[in-house]
Amino acid sequence: EVQLVESGGGLVQPGGSLRLSCVASGFTFSSFEMHWVRQAPGKGLEWISYISTGGSFTHYADSVKGRFTISRDDAKNALYLEMNSLRAEDMAVYHCAREAYRSSKNFDHWGQGTLVTVSS
Amino acid sequence: QSALTQPRSVSGSPGQSVTISCTGTSNDVGTYNFVSWYQQHPGKAPKLMIYDVNKRPSGVPDRFSGSKSGNTASLTISGLQDEDEADYYCCSYAGIYTHYVFGTGTRVTVL
Repeated sequence: EVQLVESGGGLVQPGGSLRLSCVASGFTFSSFEMHWVRQAPGKGLEWISYISTGGSFTHYADSVKGRFTISRDDAKNALYLEMNSLRAEDMAVYHCAREAYRSSKNFDHWGQGTLVTVSS
Repeated sequence: QSALTQPRSVSGSPGQSVTISCTGTSNDVGTYNFVSWYQQHPGKAPKLMIYDVNKRPSGVPDRFSGSKSGNTASLTISGLQDEDEADYYCCSYAGIYTHYVFGTGTRVTVL
């Protein structure tokens, strides 16, 4: 069974940093492109980042470009999101999501998410 | 890049059909056949229901169907069931600069 489990969320002050993790199981993690998608409280979904297999290529939404960094460790079956210079508008549940197959452009498995609260 | 536009809510009685629209632009829905739909129950992770405009993943009931015309995609739920009550989001690939754009979300209520 495919499982994605996020962790690392919590309360952080504006301007602070946080590192999210997503541990994958039930599939060959290294063979899949991965994404982070967030959802502000009571709001809709927002795609924020992508990483290719092998980690050579990354993409970001304009809203987080220059502040967030996506990475992966295939040996640990783990996906990461390093978040710096956090703002109030970054407060959200952060989901990791698997791209169904190479360049499929859809997300076939999601984690439950981890909540990031940005507040002083 | 603005979110795709969806109706805030739709409702129907059990057994009826409902259709959710998802309106984008020629930069996303109108150009790419990479439209997907996600179902999200409160407090749960989103679930893929439709991909590539009209394809259903294994395990998704055939009551769910998708289509697209111009800049607007649609999700139809036929034979509405209680468990279909949830939020639904469309998503479109939008090219190498914007990448992905989600819809504003639609709450489906089973009366």
